Order: sequence, then C-alpha cells, then structure tokens
Amino acid sequence: EDQVTQSPEALRLQEGESSSLNCSYTVSGLRGLFWYRQDPGKGPEFLFTLYSAGEEKEKERLKATLTKKESFLHITAPKPEDSATYLCAVRREFYFGTGTSLTVIP
Amino acid sequence: ETGVTQSPTHLIKTRGQQVTLRCSSQSGHNTVSWYQQALGQGPQFIFQYYREEENGRGNFPPRFSGLQFPNYSSELNVNALELDDSALYLCASAPGLALGAQETQYFGPGTRLLVL
Repeated sequence: EDQVTQSPEALRLQEGESSSLNCSYTVSGLRGLFWYRQDPGKGPEFLFTLYSAGEEKEKERLKATLTKKESFLHITAPKPEDSATYLCAVRREFYFGTGTSLTVIP
Repeated sequence: ETGVTQSPTHLIKTRGQQVTLRCSSQSGHNTVSWYQQALGQGPQFIFQYYREEENGRGNFPPRFSGLQFPNYSSELNVNALELDDSALYLCASAPGLALGAQETQYFGPGTRLLVL
C-alpha cells in the first residue's frame, strides 16, 4: 500500500533561519511527487512536481529535491509569509501526507 | 485562465441530511478529483471523474457519490450525513488522462461542511 510520511509535524523557525522538510514515501512505481502549500481554511496551492530521482526544482526561497525514497523541501532564509502547512503527495490519485506546519517568527 | 471554483464556501447540515457540493474545473481540464480533509489531516482521496465517468475511488462508502457534466464541472453528493463527515471538501482538476498519468492537480478553495 502506498504511504507518505512527512516530518517534522511542526516546525518553528526564526526569520532567515533555513531548514528542510522531509517527505518519505513507499509507492510501487512512482508517477510523480507533488508539493503543495496550504493556508488555513484554503485549498492546497501547487508548488512543484518531481518525477525522477535526482530532479530538483526551485521557486523563490523554496527548493524541492527527490531521491528514490524521499523528497526534501528546502526553505532558504524564510519570511513570515512562508508560514503555512506544506503537503506532499504521490501518484495520480494523490496519497497525501499529513503535512508539516511551518511557522516563521519575525 | 479561470481556476478551480467551488460552491458553497460553507455549509451547515444536520445528521441524516443530504448535501450536494459543486465544482467548476479549470479551463481545459477534463479530470476532476474530490478529497475530504479533516482538521489537521492531509486530504483523503474520495473519487475521480474523467470525461463523465468515475475513474478511481478511494475508501469511502457508497453514500458518497458524484457526477461529472459535459462541461467537466462536477458534483459531490453525500447521503445520510454523519457527524464524522464534517470536513473541508476539496475539488481538484487536471488536464486529464487516465488515472496514473503524471499530471499536476490544481485545487479549489474547498467547501467547509459542518454536520451537527
């Protein structure tokens, strides 16, 4: 059975303090790993899609990487507006992890 | 380009009632998926529609049903509501191929359902 595990569950960072979020997955035949950002009470907002090990994608202060077992979302010099829950998902029908709640303190 | 829209934004029902939630897919997308997201949890896949046919279903009982219309908009119907059905219901659309293809889904803002 496909599984997605995200860690940590919650992360508090000082503004400018870089860190990484982890998404570990077990899936038979990965057909894509997806990162989303979700603000409270809103729908998930698409960030990245990664398809193969070694692939990397960047957007502003965010960088996503993929290995055969896990993906990392690196946040460089975060700002308070980066505070949100970050979700990863695998496969077409999207098995989501429970998310990492990020709070950036100014 | 219009994004995914959902209606209503909020809804309060009582146990045993029925509810219909609506979703308009993003322009050019013919695949719509529905998810249930309980508080503090990741979205859980309910089912997907591709060109008006159900194209995959998660672990939800038959009282969760859906439709997709020729314009690719969709409805989620839930009968005999239970307290545990209280959640954020999300609709997502994708450009569309059969289930399993590598495509990004774009989500709507969700409908918050409260069952009393």
